[in-house]
Amino acid sequence: GESVGLHLPTLSVQEGDNSIINCAYSNSASDYFIWYKQESGKGPQFIIDIRSNMDKRQGQRVTVLLNKTVKHLSLQIAATQPGDSAVYFCAEPFRDNYGQNFVFGPGTRLSVLP
Amino acid sequence: DAGITQSPRHKVTETGTPVTLRCHQTENHRYMYWYRQDPGHGLRLIHYSYGVKDTDKGEVSDGYSVSRSKTEDFLLTLESATSSQTSVYFCAISVSGGALYNEQFFGPGTRLTVL
Repeated sequence: GESVGLHLPTLSVQEGDNSIINCAYSNSASDYFIWYKQESGKGPQFIIDIRSNMDKRQGQRVTVLLNKTVKHLSLQIAATQPGDSAVYFCAEPFRDNYGQNFVFGPGTRLSVLP
Repeated sequence: DAGITQSPRHKVTETGTPVTLRCHQTENHRYMYWYRQDPGHGLRLIHYSYGVKDTDKGEVSDGYSVSRSKTEDFLLTLESATSSQTSVYFCAISVSGGALYNEQFFGPGTRLTVL
């Protein structure tokens, strides 16, 4: 079946460096993607989304890139800070008769080193 | 947190006992979801609801039942808990599940341990 996954389960970066978290998806018809951040002991929190008619979207210190040719998403975090330490998920929707649910990847743990 | 609370936040129970987890929202959203989160699996959908008394199964619904008698509450029941149901359970809502682009907002989670 269609699935969403992440290339790397863990990522360690130095404080101040840029972070890049990757996600591969398999459903070429997916038209919307979300990145979530989950801090320890908390629920996932929406970071940024992108529609398939875009290849780049920027937020505050974050950028999501979408490459539909190779079915790849990436989340770039600029000037990574200790507060960015968390697990990051990508998600894509699937739609049934009742509306919209999401398929989530297993996540990448980002550790920020001092 | 989009006005979502979960109770209890932590529970330890024994195999074979019934367990009910509660999700409460204050913003009158139509769509509510229950997920479980386990290492290596990410979030997996258990059941969801698209209105009062309207529910459907998700990816991992075996061993779980749900009820939604009013808009604000979505209950998840383990009729007879098993150790494989030890997990962290998250409730979520979406503003409108029928629209094309709507992220989900998650509650703080319930950590359930079945001994």
